[in-house]
Amino acid sequence: EVQLVESGGGLVQPGGSLRLSCAASGFTFSSYWMSWVRQAPGKGLEWVANIKQDGSEKYYVDSVKGRFTISRDNAKNSLYLQMNSLRAEDTAVYYCARADYGDHGDYFDYWGQGTLVTVSS
Amino acid sequence: EIVLTQSPATLSLSPGERATLSCRASQSVSSYLAWYQQKPGQAPRLLIYDASNRATGIPARFSGSGSGTDFTLTISSLEPEDFAVYYCQQRSNWPGFTFGPGTKVDIK
Repeated sequence: EVQLVESGGGLVQPGGSLRLSCAASGFTFSSYWMSWVRQAPGKGLEWVANIKQDGSEKYYVDSVKGRFTISRDNAKNSLYLQMNSLRAEDTAVYYCARADYGDHGDYFDYWGQGTLVTVSS
Repeated sequence: EIVLTQSPATLSLSPGERATLSCRASQSVSSYLAWYQQKPGQAPRLLIYDASNRATGIPARFSGSGSGTDFTLTISSLEPEDFAVYYCQQRSNWPGFTFGPGTKVDIK
């Protein structure tokens, strides 16, 4: 059974940093693109970042470029999101998602339960 | 940036009725479109990918159609568990992805 379990969320002040983790199991982690998708309270979904199987390619939504860094450790079956210079508008539930289908992992076929990040003073 | 719009914002129907949800793209996304279902407090679930392909384990009452800029998700006969929010998502301008604002299907 595919499982994705996020951790690391919490309350942080504006300008602060947080590192999210996602532990994967039940599939060959190193074979899939992986992504972070977020959802602000009561709002819709927003793709944040994705990373290639070997970590050689990483892409970000414009609003987080230069502040967030996605990474992975295939030996530990883990995905990470380092978030720096956090802003109030980064407040959201952050989901770890496996990307599958197509040439680059075009859709998100498995999701974690999410971890809440709240940026507030 | 490709913008997705969904209509209606809310669809009020009874169990057993047919639901028709629309997703429109600001420019052509070919067939690179997916549909997701999200229930309160839960993560989204992939229903349809590449406009018309059902994801693993998705019941046959869910179907997708369309190409270019206009897409439809149809639920042939609503079950009680189908009342949820539905999002479309495009990957045409990969490596970026965008989601639509969602359509809420609630019980009439």
